Amino acid sequence: DAGVIQSPRHEVTEMGQEVTLRCKPISGHDYLFWYRQTMMRGLELLIYFNNNVPIDDSGMPEDRFSAKMPNASFSTLKIQPSEPRDSAVYFCASSVSGGTQETQYFGPGTRLLVL
Amino acid sequence: GNSVTQMEGPVTLSEEAFLTINCTYTATGYPSLFWYVQYPGEGLQLLLKATKADDKGSNKGFEATYRKETTSFHLEKGSVQVSDSAVYFCAAGGTSYGKLTFGQGTILTVHP
Repeated sequence: DAGVIQSPRHEVTEMGQEVTLRCKPISGHDYLFWYRQTMMRGLELLIYFNNNVPIDDSGMPEDRFSAKMPNASFSTLKIQPSEPRDSAVYFCASSVSGGTQETQYFGPGTRLLVL
Repeated sequence: GNSVTQMEGPVTLSEEAFLTINCTYTATGYPSLFWYVQYPGEGLQLLLKATKADDKGSNKGFEATYRKETTSFHLEKGSVQVSDSAVYFCAAGGTSYGKLTFGQGTILTVHP
């Protein structure tokens, strides 16, 4: 099993540019989660999907952030325009179902630096 | 909603020392509890979990017991190794759907 795949692994961009992060969940997993990790705020859930449908986006910081899941094997997190305070590690995770006992499987993360 | 509090780090130990990382939670009902570990440069991975009161999760020499009375899920290992150096996250599952609430993470460094 390939695990959760994220790309790019590292991204350096300038303030104001559009950034697109990509995620391929584990095949057969119905839930997909996007997290952001920073030293100051720790690990934050941004949004999650069930069967490609966004269920809860209350963690999305502002309108500059958007996420899509056009099919079961692909999701994107877009930041437009990017700002220095968006610098963080962004993780994608997936799980088989939404059960409260379910393990989430994390990707390696995308380290974003906005200059 | 749920909240999870972990002991503040960083924690620095010598190899073969005993490890305890405290974790307490507040929740409506009885959530599933998890410990995830993050090695440098990697994503989080499940270390162990417990789904009901008095359950003990264990893996790779680590253990944690779900204590309903004290709302705690402390992580322990009898003899740590240098390779255990990582960040450890305690998490509580939601009462519905698959949302996890994470603690702030505890950095563990083990010296030879």
